[in-house]
Amino acid sequence: DSGVTQTPKHLITATGQRVTLRCSPRSGDLSVYWYQQSLDQGLQFLIQYYNGEERAKGNILERFSAQQFPDLHSELNLSSLELGDSALYFCASSVGNEVHNEQFFGPGTRLTVL
Amino acid sequence: GENVEQHPSTLSVQEGDSAVIKCTYSDSASNYFPWYKQELGKGPQLIIDIRSNVGEKKDQRIAVTLNKTAKHFSLHITETQPEDSAVYFCAAKDSGGYQKVTFGIGTKLQVIP
Repeated sequence: DSGVTQTPKHLITATGQRVTLRCSPRSGDLSVYWYQQSLDQGLQFLIQYYNGEERAKGNILERFSAQQFPDLHSELNLSSLELGDSALYFCASSVGNEVHNEQFFGPGTRLTVL
Repeated sequence: GENVEQHPSTLSVQEGDSAVIKCTYSDSASNYFPWYKQELGKGPQLIIDIRSNVGEKKDQRIAVTLNKTAKHFSLHITETQPEDSAVYFCAAKDSGGYQKVTFGIGTKLQVIP
């Protein structure tokens, strides 16, 4: 158990809908990272927050947004969902802001868009 | 941006044999290269990393080598065991201002008892 929790574990929804994925980092970790894992694209970095502020951005679509709250949990919002958004979404946390700080991954949320 | 290529995509070895996974990266300024192991139904877990100021790093049965000139880095697992069966990802830190890594596509390692 990495200490990172993600809810829900599974999510099934329809095209055009909006969903929110939630992540609670390890106690004491200030950074939260979001990743998308699909069969054809592998593991793709989406976005990083550090202590409530956005710090790094990857290949995140404009339909996707995220935030980190004062209690350090984070939410990833996916809107106008398309079939291609079906994937595993991982959250990771680390103690610091540097990429060489070890990232601890949660168990993931499996999103299925029908 | 950074581009990381990883091969092979699948690898089967007999228990006790060695396994080698190779990656190349495109950005010569990259300076941090982590390796992750992902077991079925779980998130990736960091198993070893290397920085560009060293050429090799070992941790028990796992070692990573880095050739900066050729922009290659490799993961070596010796005396493989069934519990080594998993998907392994290499990654490289982007050299830009962003603190992020780019992952390889992954290698599915199967250790046959």
